[in-house]
This record gives sequence, C-alpha cells and structure tokens, in this order.
Amino acid sequence: DIQMTQSPSSLSASVGDRVTISCRASQSVTSYLSWYQQKPGKAPRLLIFSASTLQSGVPSRFSASGSGTDFTLTISSLQPEDFATYYCQQCYITPHTFGLGTKLEIK
Amino acid sequence: QVQLVQSGAELKKPGASVKVSCKASGYIFTNYAIHWVRQAPGQGPEWMGWINAGNGDTKYSQKFQGRVTMIRDATASTAHMELSSLGTEDTAVYYCARVGATYRGMDVWGQGTTVTVSS
Repeated sequence: DIQMTQSPSSLSASVGDRVTISCRASQSVTSYLSWYQQKPGKAPRLLIFSASTLQSGVPSRFSASGSGTDFTLTISSLQPEDFATYYCQQCYITPHTFGLGTKLEIK
Repeated sequence: QVQLVQSGAELKKPGASVKVSCKASGYIFTNYAIHWVRQAPGQGPEWMGWINAGNGDTKYSQKFQGRVTMIRDATASTAHMELSSLGTEDTAVYYCARVGATYRGMDVWGQGTTVTVSS
C-alpha cells in the first residue's frame, strides 16, 4: 500500500496567518491527490482534487501544488472557520490511502 | 440538491454482520461510483472500496477482502455496504461518498453511520 505522510501532525496559528501543510507519498501518485477538511462530528469536505484544482465552492484562499510524491496545501489567510483537521488522500492505486491528518488549532 | 443519506446507527455483537445503506438523490446515480470510507474514533479516514453504480463492478481494499460486500440497487439509487465477522476494531463511523472520474476526488459525502461493536 502507498503510505501518505503528513506534516506537521498539528499546527497552531492565528486568524490571518498563512499556513502550509505537507503530504508525502511513499511512491509516485502522479497528480492523483486530493485534500479534505474535516470538522468534529462531520464528514470530510473535498477542497482540492488532481493535486491543485480547487473544488467548486471552496474559497480561493485555499491552494495546493505538487506532483509525484510531494504535495502542499496552503491557506493564504486563515479564517475562523478554517480551524479543522486536514487530510490528503491518494487515488492513484487502490487502496486509496489517506494521511493521518494535520490538526489546525487556534493559537 | 445533490445528497447522500445513510441509514441509522447500528449496535452489533462481535461476530455479527452489519449492512449500511446510502441513498442518492439530485443526480444520475448510475453516472458515478460510490466509495466507502470508515473512521474509527480519533483516527484518520480509511478507504474500504468502491462500487461502480452503473454496472455494479467493485474493488475492495485487500484489508476487507472476504468480509465486505458492496452492492447497488440502481432502481432505488441506493448503495449498500455489508461487513461481516465484526470485531470491536470495526467500531467506527462509516461514510459513503460520490466519485465521478477517480482523479476528481470524493465530492459528496453521506452524513455517516455509526457502527458500534460490543458484547
């Protein structure tokens, strides 16, 4: 199975900060990489697909890049509603594995 | 609007089976796949497999092979996931999610079904 490693596992930041979350795959997943946001008690929400394409309805402060094994998710100016846990997922080879998540907390 | 509505919470004993349903509305059910993902308490999501809602083809994670069955009823726009030989480690929230082309990710999710396995 492809292992997805996210860093950091947790992050404290303030409203207005710019934050970057990393995701590394144990082998190439080309651009078959999605990012999800999850809030407590809720289903994950798709933010980014195909490594860098913003899902419809997602604010433009979210962006992402990468290909192969190294990927990043950036939030340009944190808003109160962005404090959540973020997961990357590869959909290149089954099983479509997720990272363990990055919990973004208010400083 | 496009939505997936799942069946209600389940409490099962070890060794039993559970069947979770996922009813789609607001889109053409057979044009998409349904993926199943579970999330144990305090853990990250875990992908279980998917079913092509058009032709019924399935692909399961090796971890669940032999224990999981995914089917769909196209006339009812509903997908079902059955997991057998339950153990306490199967206690989790189970989600269904819609996928168009694989690279487009899971764009619509059900609300989740809590399955608790306890003696």
